[in-house]
Amino acid sequence: GENVEQHPSTLSVQEGDSAVIKCTYSDSASNYFPWYKQELGKRPQLIIDIRSNVGEKKDQRIAVTLNKTAKHFSLHITETQPEDSAVYFCAATLPGYSSASKIIFGSGTRLSIRP
Amino acid sequence: DVKVTQSSRYLVKRTGEKVFLECVQDMDHENMFWYRQDPGLGLRLIYFSYDVKMKEKGDIPEGYSVSREKKERFSLILESASTNQTSMYLCASSFRTGVDGYTFGSGTRLTVV
Repeated sequence: GENVEQHPSTLSVQEGDSAVIKCTYSDSASNYFPWYKQELGKRPQLIIDIRSNVGEKKDQRIAVTLNKTAKHFSLHITETQPEDSAVYFCAATLPGYSSASKIIFGSGTRLSIRP
Repeated sequence: DVKVTQSSRYLVKRTGEKVFLECVQDMDHENMFWYRQDPGLGLRLIYFSYDVKMKEKGDIPEGYSVSREKKERFSLILESASTNQTSMYLCASSFRTGVDGYTFGSGTRLTVV
């Protein structure tokens, strides 16, 4: 089945600098790659996603890139701010039965922004 | 705004008890999921359902079962709770997962003593 690996497990950056989180997936059939942010004590929330027919997507200070050949995708956060501190999960969707697809998550990256 | 509601925020149960975790969504989503979240292990899929009365095993179904009698409700059942099932349990739903991702509930932190 699908396996998603995420690195690094922890990341500390100076406020205002950029942060990059990288993921790899194993199944070339995966076609949808969402990123979730989980603040302390809260539920994971979708922050950005990318589909396999697109190489890059941006939304203000965050961007995702996808390299289908290498089966890599990355989250880039620019001009980091204290509110970016959270655990970030990458994920990949393996097509499933009927209209369902089950999302397989990476193990998470704890991002800390230093003032 | 889609709401996924989990009935309990915190639960403490004894070893061997039968435990029910309830999840309700209000947006007519087809798909519902149960994950457990443990430090360093991320989110691991226990069971999912893509239709009423349908269920599929995820990656770690052992010791769990599920029930989906109505479209809006997906229940996770621990048949005989054990201490290694102490965890944060997250329910999620989606209309079409490959299109719009998940909406998560707030989670239930279960402690088995």
